Amino acid sequence: EVRLVESGGGLVKPGGSLRLSCTASGFSFSTSNMNWVRLAPGKGLEWVSSITDSSSYIYYADSMKGRFTISRDNAKNSLYLQMNSLRAEDTAVYYCARNDYRMSSYFFDYWGQGTLVTVSS
Amino acid sequence: DIQMTQSPSSLSASVGDRVTITCRASQTISNYLNWYQHKPGRAPKLLIYAASNLQNGVPSRFSGSGSGTDFTLTITSLQPEDSATYYCQQSYSILTFGGGTKVHIK
Repeated sequence: EVRLVESGGGLVKPGGSLRLSCTASGFSFSTSNMNWVRLAPGKGLEWVSSITDSSSYIYYADSMKGRFTISRDNAKNSLYLQMNSLRAEDTAVYYCARNDYRMSSYFFDYWGQGTLVTVSS
Repeated sequence: DIQMTQSPSSLSASVGDRVTITCRASQTISNYLNWYQHKPGRAPKLLIYAASNLQNGVPSRFSGSGSGTDFTLTITSLQPEDSATYYCQQSYSILTFGGGTKVHIK
């Protein structure tokens, strides 16, 4: 059974930092490209960041560049998101998701249940 | 970035109804369009990839169509368990999602 389990969310003050983790099982993590996607209250899903299987390529949404850092440890089947300089608008549920590629389309086929990050004073 | 606009933002329908959700891209995206179902507190679920291909294990009452800028997700016979928010997502360029369509069961 495929499982993605996020952790590390919580309440943090504006300007603070938080590190999210995602532990994977049930599929070949080391050969999978991984992502963070978030869902803010009252808004739609938003892609945050991607990392390829060997960490060779990393991408961020513009609003996260310079503040968020994605990384992974294939030996631990784990994905991470270091979030610095947090703002109120970063309040969201953060999902870990695997992406696959078929028929020229990238899609997210495995998702975790998310971890809530609340940025508030 | 490519903007994805979904309509309607919410709808209410009865069990057995045919439901159609549309997604429009701000520029052509070929068939690089995927659909997801999301229920509160659950992991989002991939329904359709590459505009019209049903993901393994997804009921056949779900179907997708379209190409270019206009796409459609259809549920042919709405079931109680289909109450959820549905999102489109393009992968032609920097990944973006539509704003979501909340489906309520009457």
